[in-house]
Amino acid sequence: GAVVSQHPSRVICKSGTSVKIECRSLDFQATTMFWYRQFPKQSLMLMATSNEGSKATYEQGVEKDKFLINHASLTLSTLTVTSAHPEDSSFYICTYPTGDYGYTFGSGTRLTVV
Amino acid sequence: GENVEQHPSTLSVQEGDSAVIKCTYSDSASNYFPWYKQELGKRPQLIIDIRSNVGEKKDQRIAVTLNKTAKHFSLHITETQPEDSAVYFCAASFETSYDKVIFGPGTSLSVIP
Repeated sequence: GAVVSQHPSRVICKSGTSVKIECRSLDFQATTMFWYRQFPKQSLMLMATSNEGSKATYEQGVEKDKFLINHASLTLSTLTVTSAHPEDSSFYICTYPTGDYGYTFGSGTRLTVV
Repeated sequence: GENVEQHPSTLSVQEGDSAVIKCTYSDSASNYFPWYKQELGKRPQLIIDIRSNVGEKKDQRIAVTLNKTAKHFSLHITETQPEDSAVYFCAASFETSYDKVIFGPGTSLSVIP
């Protein structure tokens, strides 16, 4: 089946620094990637839709200048959390549609900002 | 946009009993309804899904029903086992097969041995 590799799995960073999260589709060319954020004991909330070769589409309330998304190729999408603050600490996960209504999820990134 | 509600938020059942989780969605254009099981710190795992052209689907101990008119869908787990304990999310997706998935708030299921 389709596989997406997400790195890093865990990251701790200092407040004010930036963190890049990568999602790479290993056996599928993904024109679209979705980025979700999940706070403890909450649901997965869609942050943005990443489209290869074009600007990402952000959900209402998500700061596009803070969460930079780049989808420069059909196999790689990145999410950069800029000037991270403790309230950005969360579980970030990518997913892409594999066709026929299926979705493949990355393994997630646990971000802790101290 | 689409909004998915889910009840109950927590559910405890005795091992061997059945568990039912109910969801509603708001956008009548949605036509794909997956259910995911998520263990702590891990990615969601698809356990069953249903498309709008069917009303019921079953896979061993798990079944899903869909009422498109009422915009309701439900997950039924029979003969529950301790390993069924996890958080379950219902979700809805729009017509195209490359569209975003909107998740419900989740149900924390505990199966008591």
